[in-house]
Amino acid sequence: GAGVSQTPSNKVTEKGKYVELRCDPISGHTALYWYRQSLGQGPEFLIYFQGTGAADDSGLPNDRFFAVRPEGSVSTLKIQRTERGDSAVYLCASSLGGSGGQETQYFGPGTRLLVL
Amino acid sequence: AQTVTQSQPEMSVQEAETVTLSCTYDTSESDYYLFWYKQPPSRQMILVIRQEAYKQQNATENRFSVNFQKAAKSFSLKISDSQLGDAAMYFCAYRQLGGSQGNLIFGKGTKLSVKP
Repeated sequence: GAGVSQTPSNKVTEKGKYVELRCDPISGHTALYWYRQSLGQGPEFLIYFQGTGAADDSGLPNDRFFAVRPEGSVSTLKIQRTERGDSAVYLCASSLGGSGGQETQYFGPGTRLLVL
Repeated sequence: AQTVTQSQPEMSVQEAETVTLSCTYDTSESDYYLFWYKQPPSRQMILVIRQEAYKQQNATENRFSVNFQKAAKSFSLKISDSQLGDAAMYFCAYRQLGGSQGNLIFGKGTKLSVKP
């Protein structure tokens, strides 16, 4: 498969638990983005990686949210002490990573997180 | 801060007819990119069309075209010869040109229904 993949597709957890969401970008894409989409809303930006480093993490809502991309490919979004308000679809996107902003971002199918 | 507004929560069109989805945005930048994404029930965001702000010519992709009015900060999507497969959520998005902010800013979306 040449597209962006995300696992798991769905995740149900209990309030207070820790979860990890995985994103596998398109091969060769150096830029990777995480977005969160609440019910009835458009996606909201969380964090942007260029290579291994977080170029912009201004969208992370609080310190319970953290993301890594240690080898510049796969990324993991980590949520500690989950709250019911964290329930949403978490989308990942990747792009080639050049400058200018004209690049297309290719999205994965998302992970639907439900916190009970 | 940049914002994107989609004032039509839902729209409906008859198969083979034409429909226009509205989008307005607010920015103090002169160069930027605008996008329309389609999100079917599968959740995967698919790029429909994009427009560079420095280009006066409206972008066109087969049955999809835009009406870009830079002074009015308006970016509407026209779908001609609507097909059943066009039924989906449509999101308008803005992206800054260059800089460290590579993320897309989305509107809340318009749900398009296509009647046979």
